[in-house]
Amino acid sequence: EDKVVQSPLSLVVHEGDTVTLNCSYEVTNFRSLLWYKQEKKAPTFLFMLTSSGIEKKSGRLSSILDKKELFSILNITATQTGDSAVYLCAVEARGNTPLVFGKGTRLSVIA
Amino acid sequence: KAGVTQTPRYLIKTRGQQVTLSCSPISGHRSVSWYQQTPGQGLQFLFEYFSETQRNKGNFPGRFSGRQFSNSRSEMNVSTLELGDSALYLCASSSRDTGEKLFFGSGTQLSVL
Repeated sequence: EDKVVQSPLSLVVHEGDTVTLNCSYEVTNFRSLLWYKQEKKAPTFLFMLTSSGIEKKSGRLSSILDKKELFSILNITATQTGDSAVYLCAVEARGNTPLVFGKGTRLSVIA
Repeated sequence: KAGVTQTPRYLIKTRGQQVTLSCSPISGHRSVSWYQQTPGQGLQFLFEYFSETQRNKGNFPGRFSGRQFSNSRSEMNVSTLELGDSALYLCASSSRDTGEKLFFGSGTQLSVL
């Protein structure tokens, strides 16, 4: 059974800190790994990582995928209070199978 | 382009009742997926519809059902509600043009008393 484990489950940091969120996975016929940010209700897409794109960056956020060790990290530098959210990691297998999500990491950034 | 729209936003029901939730996908998206989110379990996959056909189904009891219409709008129904069905129900749509990544609606928060 496909499985995604995120750590830590929750994290409290001060503005300006750098944080690293972890996602390990087990999936048969891996196709992609996705990161989402959920602030209130609707998760919003951050990154998709595949075999042909193992590193992505957007502003202060970056993510890498290690296909050999089966994990991904999401890095946020110079955190701001607006980064407070639940960060979700999901994996997709080949063949029109549904995304499998981890339980998320709740990040709280305090001023 | 309008996003994924879910109605209603909030719902309070009592045990034994049934409920129907609605989801309108992004225009042009033909795939609609439903997820249940609870604090303890995270996002659990319910089912996915593509061109009015159920393409995938998660491990939920038969009380949970869904359908998709020709305009890609989808509904999910939960019959004989139980307290444990209290959750945020999220709908997401996707298309091949977006690399199959999901775009989520704001969800329906269901409370069963």
